[in-house]
Amino acid sequence: GENVEQHPSTLSVQEGDSAVIKCTYSDSASNYFPWYKQELGKGPQLIIDIRSNVGEKKDQRIAVTLNKTAKHFSLHITETQPEDSAVYFCAAPWPGSDYKLSFGAGTTVTVRA
Amino acid sequence: DSGVTQTPKHLITATGQRVTLRCSPRSGDLSVYWYQQSLDQGLQFLIQYYNGEERAKGNILERFSAQQFPDLHSELNLSSLELGDSALYFCASSGGQNQPQHFGDGTRLSIL
Repeated sequence: GENVEQHPSTLSVQEGDSAVIKCTYSDSASNYFPWYKQELGKGPQLIIDIRSNVGEKKDQRIAVTLNKTAKHFSLHITETQPEDSAVYFCAAPWPGSDYKLSFGAGTTVTVRA
Repeated sequence: DSGVTQTPKHLITATGQRVTLRCSPRSGDLSVYWYQQSLDQGLQFLIQYYNGEERAKGNILERFSAQQFPDLHSELNLSSLELGDSALYFCASSGGQNQPQHFGDGTRLSIL
């Protein structure tokens, strides 16, 4: 499947500051990149996604950027709040797939009040 | 609430046994995906069904099988269970090709 690397593995930020998580992928043909948020005892929740025909997408305090040349994409959370504390996963589809996803290892984000 | 329902939430069983996990997709979704989440392997794609037919396989063991029924619910069958099969099993659904996947809250399987 697609090789997706995610950094950092843990991230602690002060409430109100920004958080950035980066992912790289290996297949240049990949064209869909979702981000999921997983809270304790819950399944991954889709928070934002981006397709390869755009370079940036924003939804309130969350934004995703995509650099197809460098094969990396990033999640940006601005004005962090305690409820943003969770594990975040990036994903990319397997080569030639119908959106079967390969996930990064996850980033545990802690927002300090 | 994603609209994807998984049962049971927890399952405790012994090595060598067989279990069935159930998933009801979001209303109108034709695709169902199964994933395994463990501490050492992360979130791994197992298998996908679309409108009753198998569409793609991932890292699924031969001891595991799945099916999707005419009403679009899906079942994942795990047999000859081993200690290493202890994990969270998630089901996701989507409307079809090129549509986002939405996950259920999973079944936690514990093998004693």
